[in-house]
Amino acid sequence: GAVVSQHPSWVICKSGTSVKIECRSLDFQATTMFWYRQFPKQSLMLMATSNEGSKATYEQGVEKDKFLINHASLTLSTLTVTSAHPEDSSFYICTPRSSDVEAFFGQGTRLTVV
Amino acid sequence: KNQVEQSPQSLIILEGKNCTLQCNYTVSPFSNLRWYKQDTGRGPVSLTIMTFSENTKSNGRYTATLDADTKQSSLHITASQLSDSASYICVGGASGTYKYIFGTGTRLKVLA
Repeated sequence: GAVVSQHPSWVICKSGTSVKIECRSLDFQATTMFWYRQFPKQSLMLMATSNEGSKATYEQGVEKDKFLINHASLTLSTLTVTSAHPEDSSFYICTPRSSDVEAFFGQGTRLTVV
Repeated sequence: KNQVEQSPQSLIILEGKNCTLQCNYTVSPFSNLRWYKQDTGRGPVSLTIMTFSENTKSNGRYTATLDADTKQSSLHITASQLSDSASYICVGGASGTYKYIFGTGTRLKVLA
C-alpha cells in the first residue's frame, strides 16, 4: 500500500501569515490527492481534491483563494493556508487516490494560529 | 444523502474487557466499509476493509462485521488493552468515486 508522508506534523503561526503543508507519496505515484480537515471531536471533512498538472477541485464552502493547492508532481501535493486566522486552526490530513481499496493517510498536520 | 452514523459517541471500559462499536451507513452505490483507528493527533490507520459480499473480517483482536441488507457494521474489540484507547472511525466507500464518507467516530478509553 501507499506510504504517505506529511510535513510538518505540527505548526504554530501568527494570524495573517501563510503556512504550507506538504504531502508526499513515497512509494506511489498519486495523480490525485485528497485533503481533509478535522476539527476537534469532529469527523474528517473533505476540503479539496488536487490533481497532478491541473487545478484542484474544492468542496462547497471551502475558499479556493484561501487554501491554495499545488500538485506539481506525482509524488508531492501542497496545501497553503493563506492569511491564516485562528478559525483555521485544525488538523489537516492528506491521502492519495489509490486503485486499491485501501486508503492510506498522512500522519496529519496540527495547525494552530495564534 | 450519503452518511455514516456511529454509536456510541464515547465509551469507557476496563482493560481486558471486550466492546462492540456500531456503525449505520447510507452509501449509494455501496462499495466498501472500512474501520480506522485514529490516535489523538495522528492520521487514521486502517483496521479492516469489507466489500458488500463480505460479512466479517478480523485483524488481530479486531473483528468487523457487515450486514449489507440492514446497512450496519460493527467493530468488536477483544481483550482490550490500554493502547486501544483512540477514536474508531467507520468509513463508507461509494462505487465510482474515491471519495470517502466518514462517521464522527467513537472515542474509546481503556482504563487500567
